[in-house]
Amino acid sequence: ETVLTQSPGTLSLSPGERATLSCRASQSVSSSYLAWYQQKRGQAPRLLIHGASSRATGIPDRFSASGSGTDFTLTISRLEPEDFAVYYCQQYGSSPLTFGQGTQVEIK
Amino acid sequence: HVQLVQSGAEVKKPGSSVKVSCKASGGTFSTYAISWVRQAPGQGPEWMGRIVPMFGTLNYAQKFQGRVTITADKSTITAYMELSSLRSDDTAIYYCAREAPGVSYMEVWGKGTTVTVSS
Repeated sequence: ETVLTQSPGTLSLSPGERATLSCRASQSVSSSYLAWYQQKRGQAPRLLIHGASSRATGIPDRFSASGSGTDFTLTISRLEPEDFAVYYCQQYGSSPLTFGQGTQVEIK
Repeated sequence: HVQLVQSGAEVKKPGSSVKVSCKASGGTFSTYAISWVRQAPGQGPEWMGRIVPMFGTLNYAQKFQGRVTITADKSTITAYMELSSLRSDDTAIYYCAREAPGVSYMEVWGKGTTVTVSS
């Protein structure tokens, strides 16, 4: 199975700063089938990005993502208060579907 | 737009089974797949398996093969996930999620069902 490793585990930043999150796959993710989700405490994950770089409906353009093969990045250009949450990557290019362990973006 | 409404929290004894439901409110299953994903406390999500209710197509993660059964009732637009031989490490929030058409990222999520396994 494809193991996804996210780094860092925790990112401490202030509102207005830029956040850069990494997701590395143990093998190449076919067709860039990589998604990113945001999860706030007590809520279900929310889809942000699919196809490695396509924003889901209603996602603000301060969220961007890139990558291919085994290395993927999610960038939040200027952190808003509501962006402090846990972010997960998920690959859907091979079965079983797998998720990373998450990066927590916390207020510094 | 469709919402996924899940059944309520469960407390189970080790060795027993649990069955969680997921009703599509405001829409139909159409040809979408419904996946089941669980999340243990403090952990990342873990995919368990999926069903395409229109066709009855099933896929299970190998880890759960033999212990999980996913079904769907098209007439009530409800999917079910049953997990047997429960252990304490099955304590988790269990989510159903609708996959995007033809690809397996999760577009719509249920709110989750907390399953606690404790003697």
